[in-house]
Amino acid sequence: AQTVTQSQPEMSVQEAETVTLSCTYDTSESDYYLFWYKQPPSRQMILVIRQEAYKQQNATENRFSVNFQKAAKSFSLKISDSQLGDAAMYFCAYRKPHSGNTPLVFGKGTRLSVIA
Amino acid sequence: DTEVTQTPKHLVMGMTNKKSLKCEQHMGHRAMYWYKQKAKKPPELMFVYSYEKLSINESVPSRFSPECPNSSLLNLHLHALQPEDSALYLCASRPILRSSYNEQFFGPGTRLTVL
Repeated sequence: AQTVTQSQPEMSVQEAETVTLSCTYDTSESDYYLFWYKQPPSRQMILVIRQEAYKQQNATENRFSVNFQKAAKSFSLKISDSQLGDAAMYFCAYRKPHSGNTPLVFGKGTRLSVIA
Repeated sequence: DTEVTQTPKHLVMGMTNKKSLKCEQHMGHRAMYWYKQKAKKPPELMFVYSYEKLSINESVPSRFSPECPNSSLLNLHLHALQPEDSALYLCASRPILRSSYNEQFFGPGTRLTVL
C-alpha cells in the first residue's frame, strides 16, 4: 500500500522569506500523481500544485514550486516570498493515475505559520 | 461552475437525532467522496461513489449511511451518532477520465458536533 510521510508537523517562516515543506512517499508504481493541498483556517481544501511522476521537470505555480526526486521518492514544496495568507495546513497527497475513482492518500500535514 | 457546495455549514445534533448532510456539484464529475476530518489531522476517507454507485466503503459504522440520488448530489444520512463522531465532514468530487490527472475538488465542509 502507498504511504505518504510529512516529517514536519509544524513550520514557521518570516514574511517574504522562503520555506520548504518536506514530503516522502512509498510506492511500487512507476507512474502516479503527487499533490500539495492547502487548508487555511477557513477549512476549504484547495489544490496548490501537482506533479505527474513521468515528468522530470519540476512543477511551478507562481510562488510555489516543487522539488520532485523520483528515485528518492521525495516531493518537497517550496514557498517563495511567503505571505500572511500562506498560513495554513499543507497536505501532501499521492494517487495512482488512470485509476477511475481511486482516492488520494494523504500525509499527516504540516502546519505553516507566517510571521509578520 | 467549478465548486463543490455543502450544507449545512454547521450542525449540532443529539445522539438520538437523525440528520443529513448534503453535497452538490455541477461540474459533471462522476466520482464523489465523503471524508471525515478531525482537528489537525488529514482527511480520512469514508465512502466513494463512482457513477452513482457505492464503490468504496472504508468500514464505516452503519450509523453513517451515504446516498447518491443523481450525478450531482451526494448525501450522508446520520443516525444515532456518538460524540466521537464530531468532526469536519468533507465532500469531494472529480472526473473519471483516463487521460487526465483529474484534480479532486473539495467542498468547504460541514462542522458536526454531536452532544
